[in-house]
Amino acid sequence: EVQLVESGGGLVQPGRSLRLSCAASGFTFDDYAMHWVRQAPGKGLEWVSGISWNSGSIGYADSVKGRFTISRDNAKNSLYLQMNSLRAEDTALYYCAKGLNHQWLPTGGMDVWGQGTTVTVSS
Amino acid sequence: DIQMTQSPSSLSASVGDRVTITCQASQDISNYLNWYQQKPGKAPKLLIYDASNLETGVPSRFSGSGSGTDFTFTISSLQPEDIATYYCQQYDNLFGGGTKVEIK
Repeated sequence: EVQLVESGGGLVQPGRSLRLSCAASGFTFDDYAMHWVRQAPGKGLEWVSGISWNSGSIGYADSVKGRFTISRDNAKNSLYLQMNSLRAEDTALYYCAKGLNHQWLPTGGMDVWGQGTTVTVSS
Repeated sequence: DIQMTQSPSSLSASVGDRVTITCQASQDISNYLNWYQQKPGKAPKLLIYDASNLETGVPSRFSGSGSGTDFTFTISSLQPEDIATYYCQQYDNLFGGGTKVEIK
């Protein structure tokens, strides 16, 4: 079964850091780009970051550029998101998603999604 | 940055109605446009990729068309299980604002 399972969310104070993980199974992980997408409570979807199959190309939304770092370990079938200098506006459900293609840009669509992990930034 | 305008933000239609949602890009994005369905409390689901390609397993009442700057998503005959919010996603992975579809 093709599956993505996120972990690492929680309650964190503004300015602190958090690292999200996504464990992939059921497909050849190193064949595909991967993404992080978030959804604030009651709001729409926001693409956060994408990484190509071999980590050769990476992109970020302007809202997180310079604060968040995406990475992957193909040997462990895992995707990560290091989030630093967290703000209240980063509060959201964070989804890990599999791209349809090798590259994250241009978009090819995201065909497999995890159930999400919740990040709450509050003092 | 490419701006994406999705409309309407919500709509109400009867079972069996044809439903149309549009997304307009601020510049030519070729056919790099995807459509997703999200039901409450669930992760998004890819329905259409590359503007008009139906994802495997998605019912044929869903379709997409367009290229360049103007794109259309259609449900040919609205079913009760189609109640959801629909999002377009363009070239650089940014999402439209969403369209909430309800039954009249």
